[in-house]
Amino acid sequence: DAKTTQPPSMDCAEGRAANLPCNHSTISGNEYVYWYRQIHSQGPQYIIHGLKNNETNEMASLIITEDRKSSTLILPHATLRDTAVYYCIVRGLYGGATNKLIFGTGTLLAVQP
Amino acid sequence: KAGVTQTPRYLIKTRGQQVTLSCSPISGHRSVSWYQQTPGQGLQFLFEYFSETQRNKGNFPGRFSGRQFSNSRSEMNVSTLELGDSALYLCASSSRTGDVRTEAFFGQGTRLTVV
Repeated sequence: DAKTTQPPSMDCAEGRAANLPCNHSTISGNEYVYWYRQIHSQGPQYIIHGLKNNETNEMASLIITEDRKSSTLILPHATLRDTAVYYCIVRGLYGGATNKLIFGTGTLLAVQP
Repeated sequence: KAGVTQTPRYLIKTRGQQVTLSCSPISGHRSVSWYQQTPGQGLQFLFEYFSETQRNKGNFPGRFSGRQFSNSRSEMNVSTLELGDSALYLCASSSRTGDVRTEAFFGQGTRLTVV
């Protein structure tokens, strides 16, 4: 399974862009990068995913380096409600055709007023 | 469209008892996965069901089991509860299985406390 490395915590000022890095140096060619976040005691919320091209949706942008060994999740204008643990997950077909997600410890993003 | 619904939201059980948790996936989704979240171990995969068949199982003892019904609703059961089973149990639904391009959507979880 491809492993991910994320900083344990980050701070961001409200209204500024939050840039959350993730290293996944052992990623394989057919594995996708997914981002989820979990606000305290709630279920994880899907944010975005991508293979090799940059992706953008209404929540965030995902920038994947050309060698695919790292990526950055960008929240363009962070608000207090974006305070959460952010998980970067590399997703492949582990043990066959399944939807198994392997969560690491994530990054606790604290948005400061 | 309604999201993933888990019931009950909170549960307190005594050691040795058994418990059944329920998950209703998003309408049209046929894959349901279960996860356990504890402060010490984080989020860990329990098992996945698709079309009433278990597709994959995590590294948990046989006391943890599940099933899926023809309407895609799923239940998980934990027998002979131990204090260490206290956790947030999360359910995730997906429209397909085995397609890494398909995102999973989580419910709010069931908080189980074993006393």
